Amino acid sequence: AQTVTQSQPEMSVQEAETVTLSCTYDTSESNYYLFWYKQPPSRQMILVIRQEAYKQQNATENRFSVNFQKAAKSFSLKISDSQLGDTAMYFCAFANSGGGADGLTFGKGTHLIIQP
Amino acid sequence: ETGVTQSPTHLIKTRGQQVTLRCSSQSGHNTVSWYQQALGQGPQFIFQYYREEENGRGNFPPRFSGLQFPNYSSELNVNALELDDSALYLCASSLEGEWTYNEQFFGPGTRLTVL
Repeated sequence: AQTVTQSQPEMSVQEAETVTLSCTYDTSESNYYLFWYKQPPSRQMILVIRQEAYKQQNATENRFSVNFQKAAKSFSLKISDSQLGDTAMYFCAFANSGGGADGLTFGKGTHLIIQP
Repeated sequence: ETGVTQSPTHLIKTRGQQVTLRCSSQSGHNTVSWYQQALGQGPQFIFQYYREEENGRGNFPPRFSGLQFPNYSSELNVNALELDDSALYLCASSLEGEWTYNEQFFGPGTRLTVL
């Protein structure tokens, strides 16, 4: 079974700063998917960014980028030029390849607070 | 907004009762997954339905069951409620192929409290 670990329960930065959220995972699979989801107080889980394990290039979506280290089983999220609207719970998640019948495996989350 | 809706928003039940939670998927999505999110935790996978059949289950007992209907709606049923069933229940829909993984779109969840 896969496990996902987020070691930072809470982080707080000033608006416009850059922040990095950490995630490590454990799997015996060679191909899989990794995700960062954002859950604001409205509770609706929103996909921030996605990485396919067979792709060496790190994924980037506007101000969000990842540092994917497959050998180290590490998948961190960097948020540049942080904004007040980035305040939310952030979850790292893992999925096996070949369909989603095993569902997503989530970490416990990091509560990110952006201070004005 | 993801186009996935859930009802009710909040629900209070007593131990031993049964509950049905509902989800309406995005139009065209053939797959729905259900997750349980306890307070302060990440979501845990309950099960997935693909074309109206259960095709994957997490570590949840049989008293958690589901249905998926042709009109893109689905249900999560929980029998013999226990206090530990108190949680936010999330559904997520996606368009799955046999060998692909596609983005799951989450609903806003139903907050269940068991007294």
